[in-house]
Amino acid sequence: AQKITQTQPGMFVQEKEAVTLDCTYDTSDQSYGLFWYKQPSSGEMIFLIYQGSYDEQNATEGRYSLNFQKARKSANLVISASQLGDSAMYFCAMRGPLINNFNKFYFGSGTKLNVKP
Amino acid sequence: DARVTQTPRHKVTEMGQEVTMRCQPILGHNTVFWYRQTMMQGLELLAYFRNRAPLDDSGMPKDRFSAEMPDATLATLKIQPSEPRDSAVYFCASGSLRDRGTGELFFGEGSRLTVL
Repeated sequence: AQKITQTQPGMFVQEKEAVTLDCTYDTSDQSYGLFWYKQPSSGEMIFLIYQGSYDEQNATEGRYSLNFQKARKSANLVISASQLGDSAMYFCAMRGPLINNFNKFYFGSGTKLNVKP
Repeated sequence: DARVTQTPRHKVTEMGQEVTMRCQPILGHNTVFWYRQTMMQGLELLAYFRNRAPLDDSGMPKDRFSAEMPDATLATLKIQPSEPRDSAVYFCASGSLRDRGTGELFFGEGSRLTVL
């Protein structure tokens, strides 16, 4: 079953504007974590931001914020003041609960963001 | 600066050859994942270990792939014999996973495999 859905294969944004990357997830667990990773053209996977299912406040890390809407099961990434260096693939991921001493991770299919000068 | 180290970064080989990819997880991390990334399939989970014990390798083609963790500082992914459809980027990731708290996965830079 699809756990993480990213419906935007590609997006364009003008430099200095804000952009929202969509992510919805599917789980019946109460305890889980949501992550966003950035993968630039060089290929490495860079951790951006984390939101715990019990966290009441939306997570923020610099220009990144996570718009967490638990009832709608969405965890959209908002990038403010886009920069050319933000052009990359972005992956949404979910960590499942600790079961048998282990957490499973699920990744979405990614959104390719292009920032235009 | 702790990081996950993968070798080789790039590998070109011919069909039928054995390929071994290595990963050094971050010291102290108790969980190691192997992922494969292709344009068509995205990120696929191949196998994962906790405290060096394999928990699940159901994502791997069993007849040709094997994953091991001979000690806490080394994880290996072996393909024998390799096939052109194995061409992909293989990522190793490690973490200290838990029920709450960040516990993000740290990824290596990947091993880009091309099988001719």
